[in-house]
Amino acid sequence: SQTIHQWPATLVQPVGSPLSLECTVEGTSNPNLYWYRQAAGRGLQLLFYSIGIDQISSEVPQNLSASRPQDRQFILSSKKLLLSDSGFYLCAWRGPKRGGHEQFFGPGTRLTVL
Amino acid sequence: QKEVEQNSGPLSVPEGAIASLNCTYSDRVSQSFFWYRQYSGKSPELIMSIYSNGDKEDGRFTAQLNKASQYVSLLIRDSQPSDSATYLCAVADYSNDYKLSFGAGTTVTVRA
Repeated sequence: SQTIHQWPATLVQPVGSPLSLECTVEGTSNPNLYWYRQAAGRGLQLLFYSIGIDQISSEVPQNLSASRPQDRQFILSSKKLLLSDSGFYLCAWRGPKRGGHEQFFGPGTRLTVL
Repeated sequence: QKEVEQNSGPLSVPEGAIASLNCTYSDRVSQSFFWYRQYSGKSPELIMSIYSNGDKEDGRFTAQLNKASQYVSLLIRDSQPSDSATYLCAVADYSNDYKLSFGAGTTVTVRA
């Protein structure tokens, strides 16, 4: 069965510090991978998605970036965090299961920028 | 930009009652529709997917889709306190690589 991992689970960072969040998927090959952000009391915002290694599409211009160095690894980064980067960061995958349309989320990383 | 709107909450229902959640979407080419359940502080969990007009039942959950009216709903029968959560509606279409557009969510509270 497929599982998705994210770490760290929680993170508190000062403004201006760098960021690296990691997501890995097990049990599937060549998944589509997604990064979402959910700000407090708000809906899910798609940040990046990837259809393969080194193939990243950015949905929202911002100070975040994403990379996919391996088939089942997706990394979200920032060189300098802003207060507005606080939120719940969710990684999701979509693959060849039950028609392949469903997206499944990881447990998330709660980021607080102070 | 797809717009997905859900009925505003919070929705409070007594235990054992039916909770009815509604969702409308703006893009007529949307083809795939999903309901996610999100407990407070947790990540969304997929509970229903529906692709064709009509009803789809899974246990106590029934999803209803009407593409002509651009409307999708979720019914929760025999509501339990464990159903208390925020429910997110999401839509996707193949022309947009099945990227999901989410509604803001409806918070449901089931009173014991």
